[in-house]
Amino acid sequence: KAGVTQTPRYLIKTRGQQVTLSCSPISGHRSVSWYQQTPGQGLQFLFEYFSETQRNKGNFPGRFSGRQFSNSRSEMNVSTLELGDSALYLCASSALRQGNVPGNTIYFGEGSWLTVV
Amino acid sequence: EDKVVQSPLSLVVHEGDTVTLNCSYEVTNFRSLLWYKQEKKAPTFLFMLTSSGIEKKSGRLSSILDKKELFSILNITATQTGDSAVYLCAAAMGGAQKLVFGQGTRLTINP
Repeated sequence: KAGVTQTPRYLIKTRGQQVTLSCSPISGHRSVSWYQQTPGQGLQFLFEYFSETQRNKGNFPGRFSGRQFSNSRSEMNVSTLELGDSALYLCASSALRQGNVPGNTIYFGEGSWLTVV
Repeated sequence: EDKVVQSPLSLVVHEGDTVTLNCSYEVTNFRSLLWYKQEKKAPTFLFMLTSSGIEKKSGRLSSILDKKELFSILNITATQTGDSAVYLCAAAMGGAQKLVFGQGTRLTINP
């Protein structure tokens, strides 16, 4: 079974540009979440999607957005990039238990390394 | 404010030593406590703990949760250089996939 797949793995963008990152969850997993990892702030929750709906959102500005498609694949977008957006962006997925509650085991993808110059 | 605190932040030991990593948490609607290992790539799942006092083991690694005192420990016995990594503790909340992570413990095993 393939793991969580993220593309692109590495990218460099210029301040002011926008970027779209993609995530394919483990087959059968319908719950997808995104995290930002930086040396200073560690791993921080961005948002969670289930059935194409955002269920939770972290404390990030509106420049950060995401969406989920009917096949559970997800994308996140960052507009008007700032130098501080340079980070590893991680996608995670989990299976669902009864009541559409996420399973306790949450698996991470390899991440997308974004550098803003 | 939901928070997870890990200690120590950094630890250097010799191969063969036993280490204990600590994780305390204060989150609303706590559901479970997860441990991950990260080596310059995606965090790799180690353990998920939901019940107090029940030790989970996997080879030389073990972990336990105390829901009364709101903490967990991760033990690694007979450490090897391959155990060098950042160990992350995270609290899962309610019915969501939201994890609140600690700062991580950077473990270095010297031969």
